[in-house]
Amino acid sequence: GQQVMQIPQYQHVQEGEDFTTYCNSSTTLSNIQWYKQRPGGHPVFLIQLVKSGEVKKQKRLTFQFGEAKKNSSLHITATQTTDVGTYFCAGNAGNMLTFGGGTRLMVKP
Amino acid sequence: DAGVTQSPTHLIKTRGQHVTLRCSPISGHKSVSWYQQVLGQGPQFIFQYYEKEERGRGNFPDRFSARQFPNYSSELNVNALLLGDSALYLCASSLGLVSGELFFGEGSRLTVL
Repeated sequence: GQQVMQIPQYQHVQEGEDFTTYCNSSTTLSNIQWYKQRPGGHPVFLIQLVKSGEVKKQKRLTFQFGEAKKNSSLHITATQTTDVGTYFCAGNAGNMLTFGGGTRLMVKP
Repeated sequence: DAGVTQSPTHLIKTRGQHVTLRCSPISGHKSVSWYQQVLGQGPQFIFQYYEKEERGRGNFPDRFSARQFPNYSSELNVNALLLGDSALYLCASSLGLVSGELFFGEGSRLTVL
């Protein structure tokens, strides 16, 4: 079945440093979504990418979808303590959304 | 507007018992999906229901079942509980069948002793 892998599993950064998480799918995706889950909370939708090579920005967050539609990345510029949480990618192939294992971001003030 | 609501928020069961978890989607959303999230892992897809019919099923044993009611609310049932069923069970609603943005509830945290 479809597998979605994320690296790294954990990332500690100093406030102000940049952060990147990478997502790879075993199969070609129709689209990919990104979610953020704060500690003790539930996943909250950030964005959906559909087109090959698509790049979208939300303030300090930049999302990319690979040309082959099998990989994606999320880059945060100048992290803040409010960025703390686990970031999940979720790949859609058919009706089923498959989540990666997540990257847990910790930010030292 | 109310978001996705789930009940109960926390529950403790013993091995062999069964559990029923409930979910009310956002008003107007016809699709409900259930996910299991074990601590430290990503959500794992269990079921998707749309217009009261099962439209997708993940790799979970037959002990797991679900249904969707005419008002689009949903129940997840788990029989013969195992210790490994301890997890956060998340319900997510969306407008349509084809996956767009999922709106998650706060989840039901199940502990099996």
